[in-house]
Amino acid sequence: GAVVSQHPSRVICKSGTSVKIECRSLDFQATTMFWYRQFPKKSLMLMATSNEGSKATYEQGVEKDKFLINHASLTLSTLTVTSAHPEDSSFYICSAREPTSGNEQFFGPGTRLTVL
Amino acid sequence: GQNIDQPTEMTATEGAIVQINCTYQTSGFNGLFWYQQHAGEAPTFLSYNVLDGLEEKGRFSSFLSRSKGYSYLLLKELQMKDSASYLCAYSASKIIFGSGTRLSIRP
Repeated sequence: GAVVSQHPSRVICKSGTSVKIECRSLDFQATTMFWYRQFPKKSLMLMATSNEGSKATYEQGVEKDKFLINHASLTLSTLTVTSAHPEDSSFYICSAREPTSGNEQFFGPGTRLTVL
Repeated sequence: GQNIDQPTEMTATEGAIVQINCTYQTSGFNGLFWYQQHAGEAPTFLSYNVLDGLEEKGRFSSFLSRSKGYSYLLLKELQMKDSASYLCAYSASKIIFGSGTRLSIRP
């Protein structure tokens, strides 16, 4: 299957700093990528849909100025958590749609963010 | 609206069979996914049903009834490594996940 990578896998930062998470499709081009957030023992919550070359579409309740998404190329989307606070600590997962696989999404390994 | 439900927790015995149900309500629908997720890891794909009926893939099978908004994942010959969360998700313009079912396997 298609491979999606995320970097970093873990990050610890101080409150008030910004953190950038990268999501890459390694062997295919992804015009659409998705960013999810997952709290412990909870399911994935879609945060936003990242579209290459255009603005991201955010889900209701997700602050676009807090979670900046950039999809500058067909293989890279970035999520920047700005002015992070402890409540932003979570598991962030990206996924990408591989064009020849229909509607299937391939997930990255996730990034665990801890804000002190 | 978007609504998808599945049991929060289930327990089963090694070697047995377990069925995890999922119901959904949505105005747009392309298909139904099942994913497996072990603690601390990203979800891994199990199945994708578009048409009504049962699809079998080794020890795992998935069923879909579009008219009833209902799906189930059937796991046979359970192994200890099957202890995980199982997420159902429907595909419309985007994929919407259920809350997940934590399956515990006892010896």
